[in-house]
Amino acid sequence: QQQVKQSPQSLIVQKGGISIINCAYENTAFDYFPWYQQFPGKGPALLIAIRPDVSEKKEGRFTISFNKSAKQFSLHIMDSQPGDSATYFCAASGNQFYFGTGTSLTVIP
Amino acid sequence: GAVVSQHPSWVICKSGTSVKIECRSLDFQATTMFWYRQFPKQSLMLMATSNEGSKATYEQGVEKDKFLINHASLTLSTLTVTSAHPEDSSFYICSATQSIGTEAFFGQGTRLTVV
Repeated sequence: QQQVKQSPQSLIVQKGGISIINCAYENTAFDYFPWYQQFPGKGPALLIAIRPDVSEKKEGRFTISFNKSAKQFSLHIMDSQPGDSATYFCAASGNQFYFGTGTSLTVIP
Repeated sequence: GAVVSQHPSWVICKSGTSVKIECRSLDFQATTMFWYRQFPKQSLMLMATSNEGSKATYEQGVEKDKFLINHASLTLSTLTVTSAHPEDSSFYICSATQSIGTEAFFGQGTRLTVV
């Protein structure tokens, strides 16, 4: 059973546009929701994370929106740049980390 | 963020031999470490969770006798792929966390190729 569902699988955005990636989870015991960025051949790097006591967290161009009642959270990348092209994973954590299936983001100049 | 160092970054070995991959937390004590396997363009598949001083907990379908995990200290965990075969070729990634429910930091990954 997929604990965390992520969409879309791939995303193409024009430079300067907004990239939006969505995730949904089932287990209400999850209490930590990070997003990771992964470049080819590298390990994932923590990008931004949120806990369920807040509805939004912003760090630079990256924003997490969290909807506890809907059990959904999303990553917004503002002013998307070609250097943001990577695979993004959402995750949810309780006793262990459960990862979404990943979104391949391509930002075209 | 915290640093997790994984070594080697890539390794080629002959079929039937064993390979050890190290995962070190450089600036924090990692109570829990996770080992993942990742196939091209796919998500991370959790293989096992290890707590310092305890036996690792393996996910269903992961052969514990083939993938030996040791977490002997708060800064080091090792994954040994025993009697490696070409189908074991993959990208292996470790992550470490100071405590469950907090940030987990990933190593750079190890590309294993078994020939």
